[in-house]
Amino acid sequence: EPEVTQTPSHQVTQMGQEVILRCVPISNHLYFYWYRQILGQKVEFLVSFYNNEISEKSEIFDDQFSVERPDGSNFTLKIRSTKLEDSAMYFCASRRTGSNQPQHFGDGTRLSIL
Amino acid sequence: GENVEQHPSTLSVQEGDSAVIKCTYSDSASNYFPWYKQELGKGPQLIIDIRSNVGEKKDQRIAVTLNKTAKHFSLHITETQPEDSAVYFCAAPHADQAGTALIFGKGTTLSVSS
Repeated sequence: EPEVTQTPSHQVTQMGQEVILRCVPISNHLYFYWYRQILGQKVEFLVSFYNNEISEKSEIFDDQFSVERPDGSNFTLKIRSTKLEDSAMYFCASRRTGSNQPQHFGDGTRLSIL
Repeated sequence: GENVEQHPSTLSVQEGDSAVIKCTYSDSASNYFPWYKQELGKGPQLIIDIRSNVGEKKDQRIAVTLNKTAKHFSLHITETQPEDSAVYFCAAPHADQAGTALIFGKGTTLSVSS
């Protein structure tokens, strides 16, 4: 069964550094998402992406964050200048077009900011 | 915007018993309600979803019921097994648009003891 894959599984970065998290969505999906989950808390929406542009973003997704689909298979989340509070699990998800199609999640990247 | 409340936060049952997790939502326009299971170190995995044109959906030992008037939906797991132990999240869409974000409940940690 097709899966969403994310790399790396764990990223350790110094505060203030830039970090790029990578995702390969399921191949015939056209909607892409990033969510984050702080340890022990609920999953929170960051941003959705369709047709090469952001379609929706949350208050968490400030100017430090950006997303990109650099080629036909990858979808990336960049955090420009990381803060301690950016430490979390980051999940990528994708879904097909059409109303109420399910979102499929990857296993996440654990981001640790030192 | 949408707000999703989930109860209980923890649930302990004996193997073979049933487990019920309940969620309420605030946006009466919401029409799609997925349930996700998250095992340790993994991403959320969709286990069942329901659309607002039906009141109940079953898949083997798992069922979801929806009451649109009361704006609540529930997950029912029958004949629980130790491998059902995980964190379960309900979710609802942020807005009634294609490709929309999911707003998650805070999760229920289900423990099934043998």
